[in-house]
Amino acid sequence: AQSVTQLDSHVSVSEGTPVLLRCNYSSSYSPSLFWYVQHPNKGLQLLLKYTSAATLVKGINGFEAEFKKSETSFHLTKPSAHMSDAAEYFCVVSPAGGTSYGKLTFGQGTILTVHP
Amino acid sequence: KAGVTQTPRYLIKTRGQQVTLSCSPISGHRSVSWYQQTPGQGLQFLFEYFSETQRNKGNFPGRFSGRQFSNSRSEMNVSTLELGDSALYLCASRGGLVSSYEQYFGPGTRLTVT
Repeated sequence: AQSVTQLDSHVSVSEGTPVLLRCNYSSSYSPSLFWYVQHPNKGLQLLLKYTSAATLVKGINGFEAEFKKSETSFHLTKPSAHMSDAAEYFCVVSPAGGTSYGKLTFGQGTILTVHP
Repeated sequence: KAGVTQTPRYLIKTRGQQVTLSCSPISGHRSVSWYQQTPGQGLQFLFEYFSETQRNKGNFPGRFSGRQFSNSRSEMNVSTLELGDSALYLCASRGGLVSSYEQYFGPGTRLTVT
């Protein structure tokens, strides 16, 4: 079985300050991990993915995430928030095997608010 | 390349009716997955098709069904609609079945059941 827990349902930051969105996962098999972003009334856009290569993954728009197996975490960070980063962010796990093969499991989402 | 397209974008149906949603994947992608997004349950996996075969299925009742055509386009059908079926239905495609292949999402179909 696999699961994803996003530790904060809402995060609020000021423009120009760092962003940290926290995610813990559970998976019976070595997982692939993803972060997606969803702007209002839009589909999901892939920010970055981890697939057992480098543990520090760089994505689009200045975002990056670090895979920590010992902590089963995959937190998303950005050094400096921009107003356009305001959206909902989803941490997603896909196991590499087992009966859930290929089935994405989503966290509940974190809404990021950016204040001017 | 054109992205994943979904039609229609918005749909209003009455309880008890049935509905068919359509998804065209990115050219060359043979895997199509469907997800339901609601405020209460979040994003939930419905099913995945690859080469016209259902490869995986989520925990939804049999009223939810799908199929995939030889050109990889996919349709999702919901019969005997219930108010709780009101949701954003998202389709995603990917280039292969290995889990490291990322899924690319369409804009979704917003279904409202009255």
